[in-house]
Amino acid sequence: DGGITQSPKYLFRKEGQNVTLSCEQNLNHDAMYWYRQDPGQGLRLIYYSQIVNDFQKGDIAEGYSVSREKKESFPLTVTSAQKNPTAFYLCASAKQGTRNQPQHFGDGTRLSIL
Amino acid sequence: DAKTTQPTSMDCAEGRAANLPCNHSTISGNEYVYWYRQIHSQGPQYIIHGLKNNETNEMASLIITEDRKSSTLILPHATLRDTAVYYCIEKNAGGTSYGKLTFGQGTILTVHP
Repeated sequence: DGGITQSPKYLFRKEGQNVTLSCEQNLNHDAMYWYRQDPGQGLRLIYYSQIVNDFQKGDIAEGYSVSREKKESFPLTVTSAQKNPTAFYLCASAKQGTRNQPQHFGDGTRLSIL
Repeated sequence: DAKTTQPTSMDCAEGRAANLPCNHSTISGNEYVYWYRQIHSQGPQYIIHGLKNNETNEMASLIITEDRKSSTLILPHATLRDTAVYYCIEKNAGGTSYGKLTFGQGTILTVHP
């Protein structure tokens, strides 16, 4: 079935460690997004990419990095510079080129600090 | 920040219609209304969206008032699996928008047996 796959479902990070969250989609979508959700809060945009080899910072990009080497993949690295990384991370994708395509989400990765 | 207003929580009996209201009084002409829902510990699920006409799909119906300042999401026959947080979102479809979705607090819908 077509969809967005995020892995792992749960991830633990030690102090000073970088960790990478995987996001893969087989929907042939051009645009991909990373959001962060804190308990009881709405989603906040970290990074987005509208095309391969191009990406832009969202509202809370500090302490994060991304790459977009393939259309179907948009991994997110949480670096040691991110001082409060504990959160629920959500990846989304959408078609481009036509107005108003909805974003579709994966099931998220929950990151905690050891 | 979210520009929509929704009730904090609502209840519905299984098998009955669930009507979830949303106020978006400052919506501009090129902004669509999107509805998503999120079940605990899962990613948000897209439900439906519309501009000014009423919309229906296999999941729900969306009724938008003529002045576009409010809308109602209708789940025609609610089931226990419809228990979730429902988000009403304004999204700019054109211009330089990169499509960011701004989720507010949403409405916690609880469907009772």
